[in-house]
Amino acid sequence: GAVVSQHPSRVICKSGTSVKIECRSLDFQATTMFWYRQFPKQSLMLMATSNEGSKATYEQGVEKDKFLINHASLTLSTLTVTSAHPEDSSFYICSASVGRSKETQYFGPGTRLLVL
Amino acid sequence: GQQVMQIPQYQHVQEGEDFTTYCNSSTTLSNIQWYKQRPGGHPVFLIQLVKSGEVKKQKRLTFQFGEAKKNSSLHITATQTTDVGTYFCAVEYGNKLVFGAGTILRVKS
Repeated sequence: GAVVSQHPSRVICKSGTSVKIECRSLDFQATTMFWYRQFPKQSLMLMATSNEGSKATYEQGVEKDKFLINHASLTLSTLTVTSAHPEDSSFYICSASVGRSKETQYFGPGTRLLVL
Repeated sequence: GQQVMQIPQYQHVQEGEDFTTYCNSSTTLSNIQWYKQRPGGHPVFLIQLVKSGEVKKQKRLTFQFGEAKKNSSLHITATQTTDVGTYFCAVEYGNKLVFGAGTILRVKS
């Protein structure tokens, strides 16, 4: 099956710093990648949809200047949390699909971010 | 926006008992997907249902899609400790998936 990797798996940073999370599709080309955030014991909340070579589409309430998304190639998308604050601490998960839609998504292992 | 209600939020069963989680939508769905997330892990795709009244089985898991394509269920027969985790349904809304709140399953051995 399709494999998606995410790096780092866990990060602890000081308030005010920026953190970059990478999402890679290892054995397929992902036209579309999705970024989710999940708080403890809650569901996945879509943050943004990113298509290779174009600007990401952000969900309502998600600040695009705070959560910078770059999808420079068909196998790599990055999420940068800029000027992180403790309330940004969460589990960030990316997923990838082959087509330009919401069809079967393959999830990365997630990144646990703790901002002190 | 599109919402899907999932119940129960939490279920604690004795090993060997059955378990069911339900998802309901107020609108007709084109399809519905089910995912499992183990504690500390990430969601893993289980199945997609497309046809009205569809029933699919994966070993001890039975997935159903309602005749009106507005509801779906996941039933686990004779739960095992390996079944613990959170089960999510997900529905399409535009070009994205919207996830239900999830049902946390705990199994006592």
